[in-house]
Amino acid sequence: AQKITQTQPGMFVQEKEAVTLDCTYDTSDPSYGLFWYKQPSSGEMIFLIYQGSYDQQNATEGRYSLNFQKARKSANLVISASQLGDSAMYFCAMRGGLSAGGFKTIFGAGTRLFVKA
Amino acid sequence: GAVVSQHPSRVICKSGTSVKIECRSLDFQATTMFWYRQFPKQSLMLMATSNEGSKATYEQGVEKDKFLINHASLTLSTLTVTSAHPEDSSFYICSARPGQGAGETQYFGPGTRLLVL
Repeated sequence: AQKITQTQPGMFVQEKEAVTLDCTYDTSDPSYGLFWYKQPSSGEMIFLIYQGSYDQQNATEGRYSLNFQKARKSANLVISASQLGDSAMYFCAMRGGLSAGGFKTIFGAGTRLFVKA
Repeated sequence: GAVVSQHPSRVICKSGTSVKIECRSLDFQATTMFWYRQFPKQSLMLMATSNEGSKATYEQGVEKDKFLINHASLTLSTLTVTSAHPEDSSFYICSARPGQGAGETQYFGPGTRLLVL
């Protein structure tokens, strides 16, 4: 069975500092994808970054990078140089590879990030 | 660019009626659209994935006869909640993924808040 865990319900970070949001997962699929999304208080979801299980390099997208450690089954999101606008809810998600029942995408419970001025 | 709209933004309906929610990609063609559901203060749940011109792929546990999805064109997908009941009240979000070259990037609509009385 697939499982996604975000152990930090809330995080604080000082503006301009880097912050790491944790995400661990469990799957028996050899092929899968990992996603991070941001949901500001306005409610509109924003796709941030994607990492495929076979990708050799960690994904990066601007100030976002995904620290993918396959053996540890972790896919932490690193936000560098935090900005006040980064205050939001962040969700980690995993899409399982083709297996019995087909693709399945599950989301973690989310981490609320507060950026302090 | 890359704007996705949803209509309506809010809808209140009586139990037993059907509600249609539209999702449009305004400035790009979306070969794939996704429908999500989010309960208050909770994480997201992917309901289904739809590709233009073909039947939607529903996630496990999602009733395909209750949540009808039509992806009639490269810019429009609709979700119809049939015979709605109070437990269908939720925040429904769509996203659209452009065609080749954009990878896993997806753009989200602002969501539709459904309240079934």
